[in-house]
Amino acid sequence: QVQLKESGPGLVQPSQTLSLTCTVSGFSLTSYNVHWVRQPPGKGLEWMGRMRYNGDTSYNSALKSRLSISRDTSKNQVFLKMNSLQTDDTGTYYCTRSMSVDYWGQGVMVTVSS
Amino acid sequence: DVVMTQTPPSLSVAIGQSVSISCKSSQSLVYSDGKTYLHWLLQSPGRSPKRLIYQVSNLGSGVPDRFSGTGSQKDFTLKISRVEAEDLGVYYCAQTTHFPLTFGSGTKLEIK
Repeated sequence: QVQLKESGPGLVQPSQTLSLTCTVSGFSLTSYNVHWVRQPPGKGLEWMGRMRYNGDTSYNSALKSRLSISRDTSKNQVFLKMNSLQTDDTGTYYCTRSMSVDYWGQGVMVTVSS
Repeated sequence: DVVMTQTPPSLSVAIGQSVSISCKSSQSLVYSDGKTYLHWLLQSPGRSPKRLIYQVSNLGSGVPDRFSGTGSQKDFTLKISRVEAEDLGVYYCAQTTHFPLTFGSGTKLEIK
């Protein structure tokens, strides 16, 4: 069945770089888009960016200067890297599939703190 | 960016009652393929979002038919008939027609 699972460090120091992985199963990254969405504690959802099925990427303009999304299709993984982290980057980070956001991962909580 | 205005921000409802949630977009959500990519999500407490309705009115897999979606262009509604205890959580509308994807601010459903 379709699954997405985020992984990464729970704690990142301010000004450092966040690296997250979304590992997928049950579908091919060459057939479906994968999006990254984040949610600050107690707040709403914010779209961060997308890895398209053909390898193209799109980013939220508010994050574009700090954000990079890549993938390894052989490992069924999509990667997110965001630099210059600040405390307001604290939150839960999700990956989700397709234009219909049909499947979501469980999320990974990231705390930015020294 | 497309602004999604979702109302009300919260609802308190008794089991068995029906409720509606409104979502209005600042632009038409009709895509170049003629489809409207407006979806409804439920985030149960402590859980990740789950898609309930896709493309305005299509029920997601395994979603009870107590949930229904209607609307077009810029004005959309989610209706829950015969609310059950498991329906509590925060409901979000989401548009994936335009970049960046945007979400409503959420409607928190509480059970009386």
